[in-house]
Amino acid sequence: AQTVTQSQPEMSVQEAETVTLSCTYDTSENNYYLFWYKQPPSRQMILVIRQEAYKQQNATENRFSVNFQKAAKSFSLKISDSQLGDTAMYFCAFISGAGGTSYGKLTFGQGTILTVHP
Amino acid sequence: GAGVSQTPSNKVTEKGKYVELRCDPISGHTALYWYRQSLGQGPEFLIYFQGTGAADDSGLPNDRFFAVRPEGSVSTLKIQRTERGDSAVYLCASSLGQGATDTQYFGPGTRLTVL
Repeated sequence: AQTVTQSQPEMSVQEAETVTLSCTYDTSENNYYLFWYKQPPSRQMILVIRQEAYKQQNATENRFSVNFQKAAKSFSLKISDSQLGDTAMYFCAFISGAGGTSYGKLTFGQGTILTVHP
Repeated sequence: GAGVSQTPSNKVTEKGKYVELRCDPISGHTALYWYRQSLGQGPEFLIYFQGTGAADDSGLPNDRFFAVRPEGSVSTLKIQRTERGDSAVYLCASSLGQGATDTQYFGPGTRLTVL
């Protein structure tokens, strides 16, 4: 079974600064996908960024980028030029690409509450 | 078009009662997922449907929980004889297909409180 661990329950950052959220995971699979989801107080989970395990290049989406270290099973999220609207709970998640009984099942970490201060 | 919608937004019930939670997926999405999120935790998988059939219900905690998707669109999560431990936010998601590359789009959830 896969596990996802986020060791930072809370983080804070000043507006316009950069912050990095950590995530580690455990799996015996070689084909999988990793995600960062954002959950604001409205409860709606929003996909921030996705990384395919077979790709060595780190994914980027505007101000969001990841540092994917496959051997270390680490997948951190960097938010540049933080904005007040980035305040939310952030979840790291894993999904197997192998199919079978793991198909479609997201495994989430415990979450990190990020607060952006003006 | 519209995103995933869930009704009701909040549900308060008494211990032992029966509840139904509804999910309307994005039109055309064949896969539908239910997750449960306890306070301060990440969502946990309950069940997912591909079309009308439950492809994986391994996350349902016990036989008090049941879900249906009779026409391959709307889904209902049913909880019998509710217990205080069932209190949580129940999230629904849908995706175009069931593969790992198909992004899951989430609804706003139903907050269930069992008194």
